[in-house]
Amino acid sequence: DSGVTQTPKHLITATGQRVTLRCSPRSGDLSVYWYQQSLDQGLQFLIQYYNGEERAKGNILERFSAQQFPDLHSELNLSSLELGDSALYFCASSLGGGPSTDTQYFGPGTRLTVL
Amino acid sequence: AQTVTQSQPEMSVQEAETVTLSCTYDTSESDYYLFWYKQPPSRQMILVIRQEAYKQQNATENRFSVNFQKAAKSFSLKISDSQLGDAAMYFCALYRFGNQFYFGTGTSLTVIP
Repeated sequence: DSGVTQTPKHLITATGQRVTLRCSPRSGDLSVYWYQQSLDQGLQFLIQYYNGEERAKGNILERFSAQQFPDLHSELNLSSLELGDSALYFCASSLGGGPSTDTQYFGPGTRLTVL
Repeated sequence: AQTVTQSQPEMSVQEAETVTLSCTYDTSESDYYLFWYKQPPSRQMILVIRQEAYKQQNATENRFSVNFQKAAKSFSLKISDSQLGDAAMYFCALYRFGNQFYFGTGTSLTVIP
């Protein structure tokens, strides 16, 4: 158990819908990272927040948005869902602002299925 | 552009033997970091080893070590004394400071008892 929690574990929804994925980092960690893992795109970094502020941005679609709240939990919002958004979404947390010195601890992931 | 290539989709190794997983990358930056992550069937991503590009010495973590060839942009992972628990998907990743991660497509490692 990494100490990072993600809810829900599974999510099934329809095209065009909007969903919210939630992540609670390990106690004391200030950084949260979001990743998408799909069969055709592989593992992709989406976005990183550090202490409430956006720190780095990857291949995150405009239909997707994220935020980190004062209690440091983070939410990833996915809207206008398409079939291709079906994937495993991981959250990771680390103590500081960069993975160069910090170990990232990954959550178990949220499996999103868009029908 | 930064890309990471893992040319071995699948590898196998006998238990207690040594195996090397290959990774090449492309970046124009001089300051970056390289990682190997392990993803077992549980899907939990686990950091195996980390290498700073400015360090010439190869990183080592117990049975895991890397061969970092900066000029060749190569970053291979060597697993010694392979164990059944090493069976997993292994991902090579590149991180440019202040930017983002780039992952390879992964190598599936099977450990044969």
